[in-house]
Amino acid sequence: GAVVSQHPSWVICKSGTSVKIECRSLDFQATTMFWYRQFPKQSLMLMATSNEGSKATYEQGVEKDKFLINHASLTLSTLTVTSAHPEDSSFYICSAANLLRGSSNQPQHFGDGTRLSIL
Amino acid sequence: SQQGEEDPQALSIQEGENATMNCSYKTSINNLQWYRQNSGRGLVHLILIRSNEREKHSGRLRVTLDTSKKSSSLLITASRAADTASYFCATYSGGSNYKLTFGKGTLLTVNP
Repeated sequence: GAVVSQHPSWVICKSGTSVKIECRSLDFQATTMFWYRQFPKQSLMLMATSNEGSKATYEQGVEKDKFLINHASLTLSTLTVTSAHPEDSSFYICSAANLLRGSSNQPQHFGDGTRLSIL
Repeated sequence: SQQGEEDPQALSIQEGENATMNCSYKTSINNLQWYRQNSGRGLVHLILIRSNEREKHSGRLRVTLDTSKKSSSLLITASRAADTASYFCATYSGGSNYKLTFGKGTLLTVNP
């Protein structure tokens, strides 16, 4: 099956630090990657959608200058939380899909998430 | 905004029993998907049902879709302790960005 690797799985850092999270598709080409945020015992909230080689599309209310997304290749997307503050602490999850296959009837493949704690 | 609403929010059963979770949504869809999430982990895709399908099976899983009622159900038969997880439905309503909208999830606990 399709494998998505997300790294790091857990990070603790001081307020004001920028944190980069990587999302890699290991055995397929990810034309599109998605970044979600999940609060404890809640559902996933889509933050942004990124297509390889183009700018990410952010959901309403998500600050693009705060959450920088880069999708430079078909196997790697990164999310950088800039100048992180305690309110940015959360569980961040990426997913990937290959939409070149021409069908929307396919699942997204998820990474294992990154738990970010800002002190 | 959340498209899907799962029901119940939490479900606790004994090993061997069946577990049924429901999902309702508000707008028309192309497909509906069910995912499982173990605590502190990412999501694992379970099953996808298209809008023109009414029922689908995969191992111990059975999913139904009623587009007239805008609802879906996930049945797990002969549950095991390892089935303990949160289960989410997600809908795709069309569009080139392939955006999924997730429900709030059902926390299933299977007691050994």
